[in-house]
Amino acid sequence: GQNIDQPTEMTATEGAIVQINCTYQTSGFNGLFWYQQHAGEAPTFLSYNVLDGLEEKGRFSSFLSRSKGYSYLLLKELQMKDSASYLCAVTRTGRRALTFGSGTRLQVQP
Amino acid sequence: EAGVAQSPRYKIIEKRQSVAFWCNPISGHATLYWYQQILGQGPKLLIQFQNNGVVDDSQLPKDRFSAERLKGVDSTLKIQPAKLEDSAVYLCASSLGGRINNQPQHFGDGTRLSIL
Repeated sequence: GQNIDQPTEMTATEGAIVQINCTYQTSGFNGLFWYQQHAGEAPTFLSYNVLDGLEEKGRFSSFLSRSKGYSYLLLKELQMKDSASYLCAVTRTGRRALTFGSGTRLQVQP
Repeated sequence: EAGVAQSPRYKIIEKRQSVAFWCNPISGHATLYWYQQILGQGPKLLIQFQNNGVVDDSQLPKDRFSAERLKGVDSTLKIQPAKLEDSAVYLCASSLGGRINNQPQHFGDGTRLSIL
């Protein structure tokens, strides 16, 4: 079976740093994706982690611990346009289809 | 490159009616997915195609939902008859395919379906 948990909502201030956590229990876990989804729009790819550790991409970083079933997305120097839902999704070995969490709605305030 | 194209953008029908959605993936992408996203939830896989073959349709309600990708490019998803609980956004995604699992999926803007 699979279970993916993320906080439902978070609020942060423009210019600050925010960390969005994701925990998962997935048999045959292979890798973890983060997607950003603005209201009424398509999810867009942010990052992919398959090995333990931190992957950095500009203002966004993603971390994975396979032994703990844990990941986080770190957003630095927050901008108003970062207000969106952030979706954590996992893949299983031999399967490319994504299993998504319910998403974390981030509100960035001035 | 052109993204994943979906139509229509919005659709309103009454329960028990039928509806069809169309998807054109990114050129060269062998793998195509249909997801259902209910308000406030993450997308849920309905069906996955590799070229024109079905890879995974384990979560597709086959008594009312059907999908095809006859020539391995465009795909259609149909619901017949629709129920109130089918109100959702239907997202199409595509990826290159092949043996590597880390290729990101690219999503279309989706079709927002409302059942009255």
